Amino acid sequence: EDQVTQSPEALRLQEGESSSLNCSYTVSGLRGLFWYRQDPGKGPEFLFTLYSAGEEKEKERLKATLTKKESFLHITAPKPEDSATYLCAVQASGGYSTLTFGKGTMLLVSP
Amino acid sequence: EAQVTQNPRYLITVTGKKLTVTCSQNMNHEYMSWYRQDPGLGLRQIYYSMNVEVTDKGDVPEGYKVSRKEKRNFPLILESPSPNQTSLYFCASRSGDSDTQYFGPGTRLTVL
Repeated sequence: EDQVTQSPEALRLQEGESSSLNCSYTVSGLRGLFWYRQDPGKGPEFLFTLYSAGEEKEKERLKATLTKKESFLHITAPKPEDSATYLCAVQASGGYSTLTFGKGTMLLVSP
Repeated sequence: EAQVTQNPRYLITVTGKKLTVTCSQNMNHEYMSWYRQDPGLGLRQIYYSMNVEVTDKGDVPEGYKVSRKEKRNFPLILESPSPNQTSLYFCASRSGDSDTQYFGPGTRLTVL
């Protein structure tokens, strides 16, 4: 059974204080690992897809990396508008399959 | 504007009263899915569809039905809702040549 564990559950940062969110996964052959951002009361918003170990992707203050067992979402010099819940999900290889989501990390960035 | 829409956004109903939550996308996407999101459990997939008339169960399909008669629409049907189906529901879609899923705004359902 595919599993995704995100840590920490919640993280509070000061504006400008860089940190990383962790996503550990077990999957029977990885097709892709996904990062989403979810604001309160809204649907998840796509951020990144990573396909193979060693791959990295960046978008503004966010950088996602992937190893064979985990992914990190690095947040550099965060701003209050980066406050949200960040979700990690994996999709197993072999045709279309379900996405397995982690429970998310709730990030709060204070001014 | 490319988007996934859901209706209604909020619904309070009673046990056993059949209801339908509609989902529509204007991006000509082949794949559509329904998820439910519960505190402490995260997002779980209910059903998905790979194209018109092609649907399959996700992780938590019990108590739900879906249909895909048109490419743009993917309604979620609760024939006899129960209180344990109280949840936040999301519809999502993606094209056949991309892994990027686009989520709708969500439907908050309360079953009394």
